[in-house]
Amino acid sequence: GAVVSQHPSRVICKSGTSVKIECRSLDFQATTMFWYRQFPKQSLMLMATSNEGSKATYEQGVEKDKFLINHASLTLSTLTVTSAHPEDSSFYICSARDPLAGRRVPNEQFFGPGTRLTVL
Amino acid sequence: GQNIDQPTEMTATEGAIVQINCTYQTSGFNGLFWYQQHAGEAPTFLSYNVLDGLEEKGRFSSFLSRSKGYSYLLLKELQMKDSASYLCAVPGGSYIPTFGRGTSLIVHP
Repeated sequence: GAVVSQHPSRVICKSGTSVKIECRSLDFQATTMFWYRQFPKQSLMLMATSNEGSKATYEQGVEKDKFLINHASLTLSTLTVTSAHPEDSSFYICSARDPLAGRRVPNEQFFGPGTRLTVL
Repeated sequence: GQNIDQPTEMTATEGAIVQINCTYQTSGFNGLFWYQQHAGEAPTFLSYNVLDGLEEKGRFSSFLSRSKGYSYLLLKELQMKDSASYLCAVPGGSYIPTFGRGTSLIVHP
């Protein structure tokens, strides 16, 4: 089945620094990837849709200059949290669609294992 | 947009049956997903319903009523490892799912 990886799984950084999170589709090419954020006991909130070779589409309320997304290849999307602050501490999850899968489940998404970001 | 409502928390006994309900409002229906999420992990796919009725998959079954905007996830023969959060999700116009808050299920001996 389709596998998505994320790196790192956990990161702790100081306030004001930038952190890069990688999302890779391991056995398929993903033209579209998604970035979610999840606070404790809350649901997954879509931050942005990452499109290979073009600019990401951000959800309302998500600062595109703070959360930089790059989707330079069909297997890799990166999310960079710039000038991180403690309120950015959260669980960040990416997902991807396998365009060759999902015959019974249209546009099924495959999730990465998540990245736990803690900003001190 | 989509609006999804599910209970915050449920508890059940090992070996029992539990039903987790989800009600939704959406401008266009493109199916309904159920995911399981253990603490600190990514969601894993459980089921997808697009037609009315019950779909059974082992110990887990999912039901959908489009006219009522209602779905439930039924878990049978509960095991301790079933303790997790269960997310109901409804795709919007671009098939990107909107997730409910999730129902935290606690299974005790």
